[in-house]
Amino acid sequence: DAKTTQPNSMESNEEEPVHLPCNHSTISGTDYIHWYRQLPSQGPEYVIHGLTSNVNNRMASLAIAEDRKSSTLILHRATLRDAAVYYCILAGTASKLTFGTGTRLQVTL
Amino acid sequence: SQTIHQWPATLVQPVGSPLSLECTVEGTSNPNLYWYRQAAGRGLQLLFYSVGIGQISSEVPQNLSASRPQDRQFILSSKKLLLSDSGFYLCAWSTGETWYEQYFGPGTRLTVT
Repeated sequence: DAKTTQPNSMESNEEEPVHLPCNHSTISGTDYIHWYRQLPSQGPEYVIHGLTSNVNNRMASLAIAEDRKSSTLILHRATLRDAAVYYCILAGTASKLTFGTGTRLQVTL
Repeated sequence: SQTIHQWPATLVQPVGSPLSLECTVEGTSNPNLYWYRQAAGRGLQLLFYSVGIGQISSEVPQNLSASRPQDRQFILSSKKLLLSDSGFYLCAWSTGETWYEQYFGPGTRLTVT
């Protein structure tokens, strides 16, 4: 699977939007972009995934660049409960995910 | 609704002792099952995954093994633990069709002393 690059950490104020970037310049045509998050002392939680078009769900939005070499996870209004490690993962047709080290998001009042 | 159970929640074991961690899923049939490990301050590492009873794929060669004796039961074992086996062990399940949407259990924190 192709590699992703994410910042080690980001900070946000509560109730402000957060844009979490992910670079994946070697993405292949069949790779989907998946996002998970992991709250402290818990297992990861699926957030969203997409292939080419932008995606929205109740948790977040995923904006995918036209060339698919980067993507951004958008939390529209960060809360303290959104403080977590966010993982950007590329995966094609194989039945497995490869987690990197992710971005640690800190949310402050 | 589906539920995933793991036990024990925490475990302290001496080097050289055996290990058995169990994971069970309720409310679904023929799930994909996964074992991950997260060492302190590190990302998740996929250890094993299974798409059916008796079908185990190993991702990392090491002194751990996995078995799937029943459709919704996944067991992680070791005959002799090493210090490097310490970590947070997570079991996850998914459907075969939406394998990318994995649901994780509460995890087992293993400390090898």
